[in-house]
Amino acid sequence: QSALTQPRSVSGSPGQSVTISCTGTSSDVGGYNYVSWYQQHPGKAPKLMIYDVSKRPSGVPDRFSGSKSGNTASLTISGLQAEDEADYYCCSYAGSSWVFGGGTKLTVL
Amino acid sequence: QITLKESGPTLVKPTQTLTLTCTFSGFSLSTSGVGVGWIRQPPGKALEWLALIYWDDDKRYSPSLKSRLTITKDTSKNQVVLTMTNMDPVDTATYYCATTSVGSGSYYTIDYWGQGTLVTVSS
Repeated sequence: QSALTQPRSVSGSPGQSVTISCTGTSSDVGGYNYVSWYQQHPGKAPKLMIYDVSKRPSGVPDRFSGSKSGNTASLTISGLQAEDEADYYCCSYAGSSWVFGGGTKLTVL
Repeated sequence: QITLKESGPTLVKPTQTLTLTCTFSGFSLSTSGVGVGWIRQPPGKALEWLALIYWDDDKRYSPSLKSRLTITKDTSKNQVVLTMTNMDPVDTATYYCATTSVGSGSYYTIDYWGQGTLVTVSS
């Protein structure tokens, strides 16, 4: 079971949109609609931002959206704000376990 | 209010067994669909899922660490315990406990997280 593949870093200016990809296999991302995304600020615990591919928990701004195509899931953040600068991790159910991505550092320029 | 808190040793020696306790409030591990699990994060590195126990005592383990992990629950105490044997310096990490299903209602979603506890493995 290998970690899901995410870009190490992405960046964007305030107001712009960025998309973070998360590539797995048919045994995880492609096999289940149970992909979630977490935001982690330095020294803090991860926070759930998207679950079941595209659902948003209560309190998460609708600037955050998720999608999936085949073995790749994506997180899109529109209208970037300074407070969005953080590490983002994807996670997928993999049949009897879970697997995380390697994480993506989002820099707001 | 949902809270989870990890407790255990901050320093363990190589080859020793680590025992971590997650004490939670605001939900019950006897509620259908609810699970509590553990995830770790080495300093500066990515998250790694370790283990999960469901309300019905169904237990799941990371395939790569299964031989070293044991997860148990004490529903009456609102606690989940993780033991990891044969600790090595590469196991140095912040260990988080987290729930499934409590906030999201999704059986397969890790939703609420504790603050984490840093465990260092060194002689």
